[in-house]
Amino acid sequence: RKEVEQDPGPFNVPEGATVAFNCTYSNSASQSFFWYRQDCRKEPKLLMSVYSSGNEDGRFTAQLNRASQYISLLIRDSKLSDSATYLCVVNRETSYDKVIFGPGTSLSVIP
Amino acid sequence: NAGVTQTPKFQVLKTGQSMTLQCAQDMNHNSMYWYRQDPGMGLRLIYYSASEGTTDKGEVPNGYNVSRLNKREFSLRLESAAPSQTSVYFCASSGGQGLGYTFGSGTRLTVV
Repeated sequence: RKEVEQDPGPFNVPEGATVAFNCTYSNSASQSFFWYRQDCRKEPKLLMSVYSSGNEDGRFTAQLNRASQYISLLIRDSKLSDSATYLCVVNRETSYDKVIFGPGTSLSVIP
Repeated sequence: NAGVTQTPKFQVLKTGQSMTLQCAQDMNHNSMYWYRQDPGMGLRLIYYSASEGTTDKGEVPNGYNVSRLNKREFSLRLESAAPSQTSVYFCASSGGQGLGYTFGSGTRLTVV
């Protein structure tokens, strides 16, 4: 089993739709969780950290379920500019500043 | 603008040639990283440096060497390039636990 797994893509959704991505991780001792977005042929950029209590940033909501070892990202009212690949990132137990990147889920928001 | 600067942006090498990818950050971060990204493989850690003067191997270190020249700079060297090293290379830095990474804009390397 891979350390970090994500929903297979691509997700093609109309503007204004709500879309959710899930990510599972295998190391139960992981402490830090993030979502990054990566535009085509660009570098990954931090979208948001994921906190135990869940957190929201505008149209984006991230949640963590430690018992089931998954994190989720919900995007409401999708915009064309949300089209990108979304990477789930989880730290490793033995070193807080070394993380594992998931393979990513591709999102295309269509007019 | 503050951030991570990588050079060059593009490079074509012949098999057996050597080159050094440069990376510098101006955010006073302790940790710096080199990743490669290949289609279908995601981001894989080549080397990292938790602080000035220290470096450690990541998942795919073979064929690469690194130097943490000072707190700002972390370079990646390919001593004898191979076609399997054709990839996009990203440098990143981190300010610490739970703060996430800042990436450079990447180097697209082709080895022919």
